[in-house]
Amino acid sequence: EADIYQTPRYLVIGTGKKITLECSQTMGHDKMYWYQQDPGMELHLIHYSYGVNSTEKGDLSSESTVSRIRTEHFPLTLESARPSHTSQYLCASRNRGPGYTFGSGTRLTVV
Amino acid sequence: AQTVTQSQPEMSVQEAETVTLSCTYDTSESDYYLFWYKQPPSRQMILVIRQEAYKQQNATENRFSVNFQKAAKSFSLKISDSQLGDAAMYFCAYNNDMRFGAGTRLTVKP
Repeated sequence: EADIYQTPRYLVIGTGKKITLECSQTMGHDKMYWYQQDPGMELHLIHYSYGVNSTEKGDLSSESTVSRIRTEHFPLTLESARPSHTSQYLCASRNRGPGYTFGSGTRLTVV
Repeated sequence: AQTVTQSQPEMSVQEAETVTLSCTYDTSESDYYLFWYKQPPSRQMILVIRQEAYKQQNATENRFSVNFQKAAKSFSLKISDSQLGDAAMYFCAYNNDMRFGAGTRLTVKP
């Protein structure tokens, strides 16, 4: 049973809309991550955080932004969605030990 | 920078047979972790097995085992007695700040 939750599970939205993808974990993990993944393809790190008020950009350039005001919460925001943002977004967390716990993902479609 | 390479985009195995998925990586570090993750279609990514680089013994989890060759920087996953539920994308990953390979799609034929 996963202790990391992503909402919504699926989202279809029009171009130009602002959206926020939610990610919460109940494990008290310090480190949290956002990955972008096209279906059946590799994962690309877009953002990560090592703790409250700490956020960094990942390897893949992204127009999204993140915030980390509380340990358990790491939302991702797109100010103006475009069709090129259509993808799956995976959130993950870990504590000091190795290995991630992944959320179920949000599958975003921008029309 | 560390890189992870999975050279097999797709693999297929007959039910009850054994299959090996390949992974190589590049690093200058001596102590690290390696992982295999499984992502079933439209389902959550889950950890299959992990290996600590300083341990010479290959990790095993039930039907899943690894062949870790540190000098060759190779980390293959062997699935024995394959089951239909093993069908998924498999990702090899390096260390704590994960670098993932491109994935191998495993099909299991009944």
